[in-house]
This record gives sequence, C-alpha cells and structure tokens, in this order.
Amino acid sequence: SQTIHQWPATLVQPVGSPLSLECTVEGTSNPNLYWYRQAAGRGLQLLFYSVGIGQISSEVPQNLSASRPQDRQFILSSKKLLLSDSGFYLCAWSDFGGPVGNIQYFGAGTRLSVL
Amino acid sequence: KNEVEQSPQNLTAQEGEFITINCSYSVGISALHWLQQHPGGGIVSLFMLSSGKKKHGRLIATINIQEKHSSLHITASHPRDSAVYICAVIGVQFYFGTGTSLTVIP
Repeated sequence: SQTIHQWPATLVQPVGSPLSLECTVEGTSNPNLYWYRQAAGRGLQLLFYSVGIGQISSEVPQNLSASRPQDRQFILSSKKLLLSDSGFYLCAWSDFGGPVGNIQYFGAGTRLSVL
Repeated sequence: KNEVEQSPQNLTAQEGEFITINCSYSVGISALHWLQQHPGGGIVSLFMLSSGKKKHGRLIATINIQEKHSSLHITASHPRDSAVYICAVIGVQFYFGTGTSLTVIP
C-alpha cells in the first residue's frame, strides 16, 4: 500500500533562517507531487506541483522553492524565511497518468512558526 | 470575489441530523474535490467529481456542471464527522474554498 511521509511535524525557525521540508512517498511510481500551505485563518493554497523528476510548476510567486531530486521525494525550501511564511504545510501525491487533480493523498503536515 | 464560495461557513448539528454543505464556483473546471480537515490539521480527500453523484458510506457528493454547484451531504451525522470540509476545483489552476466548519453535538 502507498504511504506518504512528511517531516518534521512542527518547526520553529527565526526570520532569515533557511528552511527544508521533506516529503517522501512509498508504494507507487511516478506520482504527481504537491506542496500546499494553509496560513492561519485562511484556506489552502497550492504552492508547487511536480509531474516528474526535476519538473516543478509554481502556482504563486513567493519566497519558497521546491525540488524533486528523486521520483518519490519532494522538498520545499527557502533561503531566508519571512514572518509571512508561517503556516501549515502539506505535501500530497496523486497517481501519475491522469490529469493533475486526481484524488490526492495528504501527508500529516508541518506546522511552521517563523519568529 | 473568490472563485470558490462555500456555505455555510460554520454549521452545528445534533447527532443524527442530515447535513448539507454547498460549494459554488465561477470558473470552468475539469474536476472538483471535497476534502476533510481534522482538528489536528490532517487532510483526507473524500471525493473527486467531474459529473453526477458519488457515494461513500454516509457521505454523498453531487455536482451540477451547468449550474457550477456541488453539494456534500452527510446522512446520520456523528460527532466524529466534526471537521472542516473544503471544496476545491481544478480549472487552469487549483482554487479552494475557505471551508465549512462542522460541529456535530452528541
């Protein structure tokens, strides 16, 4: 069966520090991968999605970047965190082959506080 | 104006009641998702719809493409259904509703 791992669960970082959040998927090949953010009191926002190794699409301009160094690994990064980067970050995957927007399976999320 | 509007924003129900959450959207879409976010933050995808109706246990989701409207129904609601329900549509990009917070009281 497929599983998705996301870590860490919580993170407190100072403004200006770097960020690296990792997400890995097991039990499937060539998944579509997604990074979402949910800011306090606001809805979900899609940040990045990837349909293959090295293929990253950005939905909104921001202080963050994403990379997919391996088929089932998706990394969210920042060189210098801003206060506005605080939020709940979710990784998700869906089956390859269908349109982006297949049923998605979510990780447990990382709650990031930038102080 | 948001591309996806959900109603109501908050809903409190007695255990056993029939619940309806509505989602209206203003963009052309290829699919619509209903998501459930638990109090701890974890998200589960409930349905993906492009037409008609889907049923899973006590949950039913319908979509009317012409009217650009979808509903999520919960029959015989239970306290464990308490969560935030989020409507998301897939058009040229993803658009999300702000969610409906449901509390089911025993």
